[in-house]
Amino acid sequence: SQQGEEDPQALSIQEGENATMNCSYKTSINNLQWYRQNSGRGLVHLILIRSNEREKHSGRLRVTLDTSKKSSSLLITASRAADTASYFCATDASRGLTFGQGTILTVHP
Amino acid sequence: EPEVTQTPSHQVTQMGQEVILRCVPISNHLYFYWYRQILGQKVEFLVSFYNNEISEKSEIFDDQFSVERPDGSNFTLKIRSTKLEDSAMYFCASSEWGPSYNEQFFGPGTRLTVL
Repeated sequence: SQQGEEDPQALSIQEGENATMNCSYKTSINNLQWYRQNSGRGLVHLILIRSNEREKHSGRLRVTLDTSKKSSSLLITASRAADTASYFCATDASRGLTFGQGTILTVHP
Repeated sequence: EPEVTQTPSHQVTQMGQEVILRCVPISNHLYFYWYRQILGQKVEFLVSFYNNEISEKSEIFDDQFSVERPDGSNFTLKIRSTKLEDSAMYFCASSEWGPSYNEQFFGPGTRLTVL
């Protein structure tokens, strides 16, 4: 697999539920970032976690990083229909960010 | 809130033509980037730019591509002779400091269609 692979590929939940997306990567990193992309639109930066951090919160978002397992998770709590989007993790590398394929999250009202 | 802007939002061109995609990064940012996303595929890094020169580029960024900061605000991507496979969304991004330590902020993208 390639750097920055997310799973699941698609996630469908009801409004109010929590959504958890995972990301695995191959090489060592300085930081890992999560982005959101609404259909056909640009990428919105959500959160950055540095390699020496294990957990970070921003509003309803919680990101964890396990560098020993080369994995990260993004938790969205109390999801809303407006959270429907694709979510990508991106790892820094010497040559720009490397993005995964993304998780398509659908939140049903 | 400051944001990265890109023009045009959609560009249609004939194969073999030159196109210039334009970006205005966030004003106090020093690093600029271009990425592309072919429909249904991953976002791919093309090039990073700092201090008026390319700092890194990917294998995709061949001789057909060039970047320029023609003035204090614009950052452009030129594709000299477009191919069908250049059809994609092109995203510009900027960051305050280097890519290893800072968030990159993305523009809304330019959808390039090569006919």
